[in-house]
Amino acid sequence: DQQVKQNSPSLSVQEGRISILNCDYTNSMFDYFLWYKKYPAEGPTFLISISSIKDKNEDGRFTVFLNKSAKHLSLHIVPSQPGDSAVYFCAANQGGKLIFGQGTELSVKP
Amino acid sequence: DTGVSQNPRHKITKRGQNVTFRCDPISEHNRLYWYRQTLGQGPEFLTYFQNEAQLEKSRLLSDRFSAERPKGSFSTLEIQRTEQGDSAMYLCASSLLENNSPLHFGNGTRLTVT
Repeated sequence: DQQVKQNSPSLSVQEGRISILNCDYTNSMFDYFLWYKKYPAEGPTFLISISSIKDKNEDGRFTVFLNKSAKHLSLHIVPSQPGDSAVYFCAANQGGKLIFGQGTELSVKP
Repeated sequence: DTGVSQNPRHKITKRGQNVTFRCDPISEHNRLYWYRQTLGQGPEFLTYFQNEAQLEKSRLLSDRFSAERPKGSFSTLEIQRTEQGDSAMYLCASSLLENNSPLHFGNGTRLTVT
């Protein structure tokens, strides 16, 4: 039972355009969500987070949106840069541990 | 901040052998986590410690897996009688005690069981 789902395994975007990565969850008790970025041969790196009391959190080029009624969150990257090419994981905090989605591989073309 | 350190980076072993991995967390972090990741999947929770106490263990974790954090600093993950299905990337992470403190991951140990 996959509690956190990323249904798009890959996404390709032109440099300078917006990248939108999506994530759905099933457990309405989740109250804190995070996005991680992973380069090959490295561990995941924390990117941005959002609490369920908010519907938006912004940090530079990265914005996370949370729609609690739809149990959906998204990560927007604008403008996208070639260095953003990586695998992106969303995660939900459950009692101190993180439950991860399957990841979406983003490719930003110059 | 030296980050989370994992050793070895790679381990190749034959089926049936035992292996042990080490994780050194960020020094001021109280919590330490072990995750496993296979190709095309996200990290899967295995177990976590708060100081030296093991607080939770995944119900999916085989009895062949054991983790320790004897002095509340570094941790070891041992897999006994390895099987080919154990081949994966084993990730360690640490965090502060505060609620919703993000996890900081090491670069992992890649295990290949032949």
